[in-house]
Amino acid sequence: EAQVTQNPRYLITVTGKKLTVTCSQNMNHEYMSWYRQDPGLGLRQIYYSMNVEVTDKGDVPEGYKVSRKEKRNFPLILESPSPNQTSLYFCASTSVRDRGNTEAFFGQGTRLTVV
Amino acid sequence: RKEVEQDPGPFNVPEGATVAFNCTYSNSASQSFFWYRQDCRKEPKLLMSVYSSGNEDGRFTAQLNRASQYISLLIRDSKLSDSATYLCVVNFNFNKFYFGSGTKLNVKP
Repeated sequence: EAQVTQNPRYLITVTGKKLTVTCSQNMNHEYMSWYRQDPGLGLRQIYYSMNVEVTDKGDVPEGYKVSRKEKRNFPLILESPSPNQTSLYFCASTSVRDRGNTEAFFGQGTRLTVV
Repeated sequence: RKEVEQDPGPFNVPEGATVAFNCTYSNSASQSFFWYRQDCRKEPKLLMSVYSSGNEDGRFTAQLNRASQYISLLIRDSKLSDSATYLCVVNFNFNKFYFGSGTKLNVKP
C-alpha cells in the first residue's frame, strides 16, 4: 500500500529541546515536502526536497532544518523549538503524473506542542 | 497577498443541496490545480484535479478559469459524508504547492 508515514503523531516538548519528526514514503517519489498548518493560515511549506541531497527552503523555513540522505526519508529537525512552532505538521510526497500534473500524498500529521 | 484565497465558510447546507466553492490564485504562471478534502484532524486527501476543460467526478464538478484566475468546485446532491474542509491547491514548478486556508462545509440532515 502506497503511504507516507510520519512519527510521532503527537509530541509535547519544552522550549529549546531538540527534536526530530521522521517521514518515510514507499512510493519511490523524488519530491518530498514539509508543511505546517495553523488555523486561518492553511498549509504553508517549510522545506522541500527534489531528490537525495537536494533540499530548499519553502515559505516558512526559519527554525527548521531538513536532510535527505535517502530517497525514502525526509526528517524535519527543530534544533531549538519555540512555542510559535506549536502546530500541525504534514509531510508530503509528490508524484509527477501525465501532462506534468502532480499529486501530493500526505502523512497523517504530527501535532506538536512546545511549552 | 496570499497566493490562494478561499472563503472560509462555514457553508451550512441541507442534505441534497447543491453547493459551490470558489477560490482565486495570484500567480498566473501556476501549472496545476486541485481540490483536496480534509477531515477534522486528518491529512488532506486529493479529491480531484482541475483541468482547463472542466472535469466531473460523480457529484463533483471542478472548473478552472485561467483568465480570471479562479477555480470552482460544485457538489450536487450533498451527503452528510461530504462534511469536511475543502482545500484549493495550486501547484507551481512541480514541488511548490500553495494551499488555500480551506472552506468548511457542514451538511445537515
